[in-house]
Amino acid sequence: KNQVEQSPQSLIILEGKNCTLQCNYTVSPFSNLRWYKQDTGRGPVSLTIMTFSENTKSNGRYTATLDADTKQSSLHITASQLSDSASYICVVSAAYYGNNRLAFGKGNQVVVIP
Amino acid sequence: DAGVIQSPRHEVTEMGQEVTLRCKPISGHNSLFWYRQTMMRGLELLIYFNNNVPIDDSGMPEDRFSAKMPNASFSTLKIQPSEPRDSAVYFCASSPSLDSSSYEQYFGPGTRLTVT
Repeated sequence: KNQVEQSPQSLIILEGKNCTLQCNYTVSPFSNLRWYKQDTGRGPVSLTIMTFSENTKSNGRYTATLDADTKQSSLHITASQLSDSASYICVVSAAYYGNNRLAFGKGNQVVVIP
Repeated sequence: DAGVIQSPRHEVTEMGQEVTLRCKPISGHNSLFWYRQTMMRGLELLIYFNNNVPIDDSGMPEDRFSAKMPNASFSTLKIQPSEPRDSAVYFCASSPSLDSSSYEQYFGPGTRLTVT
């Protein structure tokens, strides 16, 4: 069973609208959580990195939240633009004996239409 | 800043052939990661290096896969012999810190491998 579950799997939104992507994880012990944006045909690009003590972090129109108690994170996109069309990947890091194991979600596919 | 460089960008080969993927990390970065991405399984970490030393290769699928980092500016991922199920996009990423838990990883453009 995947340790990181993302929902919805895919989403179509109108340009200018907001949307929220969900990431639930079971990874333990928790080290940090990252959101990546991956455009078609390109490598992922980091949007945010959040540690245990951080509840909210913003990067422009992207705002990530983290609830370490319920093991949930969300990525909110405000006033979406056509360039936001991409896959958004949630990655959770677990700390084991000084090394870090990474668990990946399968991504939220977002399509912004005019 | 050239970013992470990968070559080739596309590779098509026949089953049983040896495939070598190459990566040049960002200059000064201490950690290097190899990933594989498919539609079915998403993004998977194969192996990562700190200061050219392999730290965790538990993601390497089987003995047909091997990775080396002979120096700080070059790494290879080799598949021998290749099989159709190895078809995927392979990404290399680098990070400026040995503590990959808190530093960002910078991904290359990927190599799209097709094994027929």
